[in-house]
Parts: sequence; structure tokens; C-alpha cells
Amino acid sequence: ETGVTQSPTHLIKTRGQQVTLRCSSQSGHNTVSWYQQALGQGPQFIFQYYREEENGRGNFPPRFSGLQFPNYSSELNVNALELDDSALYLCASSLVAGGQETQYFGPGTRLLVL
Amino acid sequence: SQQGEEDPQALSIQEGENATMNCSYKTSINNLQWYRQNSGRGLVHLILIRSNEREKHSGRLRVTLDTSKKSSSLLITASRAADTASYFCATEETSGSRLTFGEGTQLTVNP
Repeated sequence: ETGVTQSPTHLIKTRGQQVTLRCSSQSGHNTVSWYQQALGQGPQFIFQYYREEENGRGNFPPRFSGLQFPNYSSELNVNALELDDSALYLCASSLVAGGQETQYFGPGTRLLVL
Repeated sequence: SQQGEEDPQALSIQEGENATMNCSYKTSINNLQWYRQNSGRGLVHLILIRSNEREKHSGRLRVTLDTSKKSSSLLITASRAADTASYFCATEETSGSRLTFGEGTQLTVNP
């Protein structure tokens, strides 16, 4: 519906492992943001990438990192997984052009850390 | 940390009734947005209201914004069972920046 896709849809990892989540933005969108949503809570901002550079970061440790590529795809990497990293991870893309930019969300990746 | 609070946390109404959800926030904002989420899936953008606007309509949705009280309300008129979802308000301090979400209101519309 929004033109933003995420993969995989579900993922199970064990504590200490590393994970890479992927997002494909709408064509032409130069900004991607990642959010973590724990069960029963609102999404929390992890970081944002604008034209392949990090452009703002929330209160998350450095083991959360990201990449944005020129082909409108992006990645969220999490190292040394902890149990509390279990959540729905959402990416959102937008075209930042000086106006009121709407962020379009993907369906999310649900990560379970055991 | 969350920007604001939403109230009520849960709301259960009958089909055809109106549903009102409230949101409060803490900082100055560029705009406030409302999103809908079905069963832990992705967020669907409903409506955006700028800081210099007081009221906005979109179909059965009516949003108000009171920047002096740092609060907003979302009214869904003539609710339908398909409106059952979680509703989140989110603020944007500057255009194109991060969204800061509230905790959400779980709306249940009974047929």
C-alpha cells in the first residue's frame, strides 16, 4: 500500500547474535528512518539516513547501525543481540524537500531474541 | 522516551458511534500526525496538521490542535468495525525530522 517493503517479516535469533534487517523505500525518497516498537508501546526513533548519511539518532547504543544505498534500499544492523531487542522494527521513507514530508511506513520485521 | 501521552489507553464503542482520542505532547512542534496500526503491522498515515492550523478534516476524521495546551484530538465519526485498530499521535519538531510517538489508543468498534 505505501510502496515501502521490509524483509524478512519475522526473524528468530539468540542472544549475542547479529541481525540485518532490510527496507526498500519508495522510488525517489531520499530519507529513511528506522523505529523500534516494543509490544504494547509506541514506536521509538532509532536513527535517520538522508542521502546515505546518518542524519539524527535516538537513544540507542552504537550496536545499532545502519546503511542507506543509492538504489533506495537500506539496512538496520544490530550486533550482540539482547533479549530486550525483541520488537517490531519499522522503516519509513520520505522525500525531504523543504515542505511537510509524510513518512511512509513499511509493514515491519518482527524480531524475537531468545 | 515518548513525547506525549494518549488518552484513553483503550476505547470500546458500538458501530455508528463517534470515537474521540486525545494526545498531549511536551515540546514545540512543526506538525502533529495521526497514524493507525492494525494488529502490530505497519503504520498507516491518516492526517497531518501543521502547528499554525487549528482544525483539519479528512473524510470521517476530524483533528484539532491546541498549541497553547500542547494537545490534539482525533475524532472518528460514524465508526465502523473496520476502524478497530491502535491509533497513535506523532509529533515532528522540525520538517523531515524524527517522529516522536505517543503510547497509542486501542480502539475497538463492536458490530
